[in-house]
Amino acid sequence: DTEVTQTPKHLVMGMTNKKSLKCEQHMGHRAMYWYKQKAKKPPELMFVYSYEKLSINESVPSRFSPECPNSSLLNLHLHALQPEDSALYLCASSHPGNNYGYTFGSGTRLTVV
Amino acid sequence: QQQVKQSPQSLIVQKGGISIINCAYENTAFDYFPWYQQFPGKGPALLIAIRPDVSEKKEGRFTISFNKSAKQFSLHIMDSQPGDSATYFCAASKNTPLVFGKGTRLSVIA
Repeated sequence: DTEVTQTPKHLVMGMTNKKSLKCEQHMGHRAMYWYKQKAKKPPELMFVYSYEKLSINESVPSRFSPECPNSSLLNLHLHALQPEDSALYLCASSHPGNNYGYTFGSGTRLTVV
Repeated sequence: QQQVKQSPQSLIVQKGGISIINCAYENTAFDYFPWYQQFPGKGPALLIAIRPDVSEKKEGRFTISFNKSAKQFSLHIMDSQPGDSATYFCAASKNTPLVFGKGTRLSVIA
């Protein structure tokens, strides 16, 4: 299995809602990443988990809360988002310290209304 | 501070032509240079990658050329096809999350 699976593919949420994005991989990768991508821009790193521990938080607002329950799963919990948070949210995984095979999921298209 | 500079921002190529996208990096510690292809609404997909111990790598119609002294690398797409129309990102890293260029939107026209 060489895929990173993200659910849901699309999500529309109100500014007072709480929702979660899910990411799963079965490639044995022990580094997992959340990225945010706006239209016509490169992916922007949000969080990095290495061996299920948060290793990088790129000064992301607390309304985004990551969680890594095990080596195959990565969640992003969303609460009280703003319309400007609307974007494509991408999950990726790799072997820690070895970026060959750095693999992205297809993303969740999030719209905040 | 952008550590990987990519050009051009957009590119239009005739079907059958050669598409060339260039990237320059600043951090000499980088040791891994991938190119990603992204179609609208999809995540980036690894296209081809190179390490600095080689100057060129070819996979099918896609070739990376790497110039370590100039700190530059480029993607060449031979016999470009309409299906190659996508956004291409170069990236670089060393044991860290990838640093991306700003992307090139390629349009291949018949």
